[in-house]
Amino acid sequence: DTGVSQDPRHKITKRGQNVTFRCDPISEHNRLYWYRQTLGQGPEFLTYFQNEAQLEKSRLLSDRFSAERPKGSFSTLEIQRTEQGDSAMYLCASSDGPFAKDEQYFGPGTRLTVT
Amino acid sequence: DAKTTQPPSMDCAEGRAANLPCNHSTISGNEYVYWYRQIHSQGPQYIIHGLKNNETNEMASLIITEDRKSSTLILPHATLRDTAVYYCIVRVAGSSNTGKLIFGQGTTLQVKP
Repeated sequence: DTGVSQDPRHKITKRGQNVTFRCDPISEHNRLYWYRQTLGQGPEFLTYFQNEAQLEKSRLLSDRFSAERPKGSFSTLEIQRTEQGDSAMYLCASSDGPFAKDEQYFGPGTRLTVT
Repeated sequence: DAKTTQPPSMDCAEGRAANLPCNHSTISGNEYVYWYRQIHSQGPQYIIHGLKNNETNEMASLIITEDRKSSTLILPHATLRDTAVYYCIVRVAGSSNTGKLIFGQGTTLQVKP
């Protein structure tokens, strides 16, 4: 068990470009979450997957954002036509178990800078 | 999920106990209290959670008042590596819930030598 991994760790992009981030959860964790964190703030929930099904999306997830979790394993988060306001740390977390006693294990995050 | 209120910052001397308070006066009967912490430039880390009873694990103790309207996270012997932002989160735990975490601003704990 190597923990939750995210790739890349850092991404610098120009405004208007598309970016894609990957999250590899702890194996066999059926729940996967994406959060966004801006400087000085706590993480904000973006979206939730149970296995391959995307069951909840935050209002923060505009139509420029899309997330997938094919086959219930790794997940990708894509941002199209990036804006400077998208600059943030994007965190992925996973958990297991049918009940939400389950602690979430967070990855190290992908820091996005939009110039 | 109920809202929580935490002091923005606290200091603690190395080796002493750190007591981090959290108010959650609107907590419902089926809501748990969770604590996570975030060390600089890392993802949040789970510490402990509880419903009604006090809880203890290898990292910390959680004391929940009888009316459940507030709680205290206790780090018994704080070290410099405990310097972090500590988040108190209240959420419903159940199979029909997504389990998403709603983070507030947290308390920045500075452990000083």
